[in-house]
Amino acid sequence: DQQVKQNSPSLSVQEGRISILNCDYTNSMFDYFLWYKKYPAEGPTFLISISSIKDKNEDGRFTVFLNKSAKHLSLHIVPSQPGDSAVYFCAAAAFGNEKLTFGTGTRLTIIP
Amino acid sequence: KAGVTQTPRYLIKTRGQQVTLSCSPISGHRSVSWYQQTPGQGLQFLFEYFSETQRNKGNFPGRFSGRQFSNSRSEMNVSTLELGDSALYLCASRAGGPQETQYFGPGTRLLVL
Repeated sequence: DQQVKQNSPSLSVQEGRISILNCDYTNSMFDYFLWYKKYPAEGPTFLISISSIKDKNEDGRFTVFLNKSAKHLSLHIVPSQPGDSAVYFCAAAAFGNEKLTFGTGTRLTIIP
Repeated sequence: KAGVTQTPRYLIKTRGQQVTLSCSPISGHRSVSWYQQTPGQGLQFLFEYFSETQRNKGNFPGRFSGRQFSNSRSEMNVSTLELGDSALYLCASRAGGPQETQYFGPGTRLLVL
């Protein structure tokens, strides 16, 4: 039972354009969401998070949007840079529960 | 601060053997979580330890076990290895609270032959 889904295994975007990565969840108890970025041979690196009391959180080139009614979140990267090429995982947690539930990841490739 | 370290980085074992993986969290972090990453499955939560106590557990068989020491270092053990246990095992630490950021180590890649 995949409670966090990333339906696009891969995505290619031209350098300088916007990258949009999507994530859907099924568990209505989730109230905290995170995005991690992973390069080969390295562990995931925290990118940005959002609490369910917000619908948007921004950090530099990265913005996460949360649509609670649709149980959907997205990560926008603007402008996309070659160094953004990596696998991106979304993750979710329920309040008071330390366990993170991850999606299967989206491989983002930025084309120079 | 030094990051999360995991040893060994690579390991080859045969079916039926057991293996122990080690994780040293960031200094001051009391929570250590373990994840298994396999192609197509993403990261699957194994368990979390906080102050030497397991406080959360994922849906893995009893062959997977762990422990945490008083210095917050953690070990994960897999007994009677199966081919399907081949994966990247990731350890993550955080200071304590559930919504504090988890910082991951580079992982231990285990290959079971």
